[in-house]
Amino acid sequence: LAKTTQPISMDSYEGQEVNITCSHNNIATNDYITWYQQFPSQGPRFIIQGYKTKVTNEVASLFIPADRKSSTLSLPRVSLSDTAVYYCLVGDMSDYKLSFGAGTTVTVRA
Amino acid sequence: ETGVTQTPRHLVMGMTNKKSLKCEQHLGHNAMYWYKQSAKKPLELMFVYSLEERVENNSVPSRFSPECPNSSHLFLHLHTLQPEDSALYLCASSQERGRETQYFGPGTRLLVL
Repeated sequence: LAKTTQPISMDSYEGQEVNITCSHNNIATNDYITWYQQFPSQGPRFIIQGYKTKVTNEVASLFIPADRKSSTLSLPRVSLSDTAVYYCLVGDMSDYKLSFGAGTTVTVRA
Repeated sequence: ETGVTQTPRHLVMGMTNKKSLKCEQHLGHNAMYWYKQSAKKPLELMFVYSLEERVENNSVPSRFSPECPNSSHLFLHLHTLQPEDSALYLCASSQERGRETQYFGPGTRLLVL
């Protein structure tokens, strides 16, 4: 089971780009990397998922190097409403050993 | 709106009460999940259902009893809870069990007095 490590917190200002890196050194060959966002008292919300190289959607980009031992979630031009906890997950989400962990608390200031 | 609804959104109950949490998904998914999120703690996966069959139980106390009558509905029956069971209870669904993306409901905020 791939264990993930990500920073506990990050601060940013409105309009800046926020990059959150997640380490997953023992990722398995068929594991995907998924990022979720969670606001207080709400369920996590899917942001983006990728396997390798780069994936982009309307809210974020996900960069995955060739060795896949890490991944970086990029949030372009953040706003105050992007203040949330961001989780990086790798592997089978129905596996009880897979933990959401503490995530990265991103605080965006005016 | 994720296509997963939960009721009630808030619940206060005494330790001797019996209550049920309800989850409904409108996504045509085959797998459903219950999670618990206590204050300042990570999400904990409690139960997994796939095609209405409970596939695993993460050593959850018997005072929590799940029920999945069909692939669209999931219940969590609560009885003789403890104050430490106060938490946000989240339901999620995915197309299949496994590495599929999960879609979460808004949660039920439970307070046990």
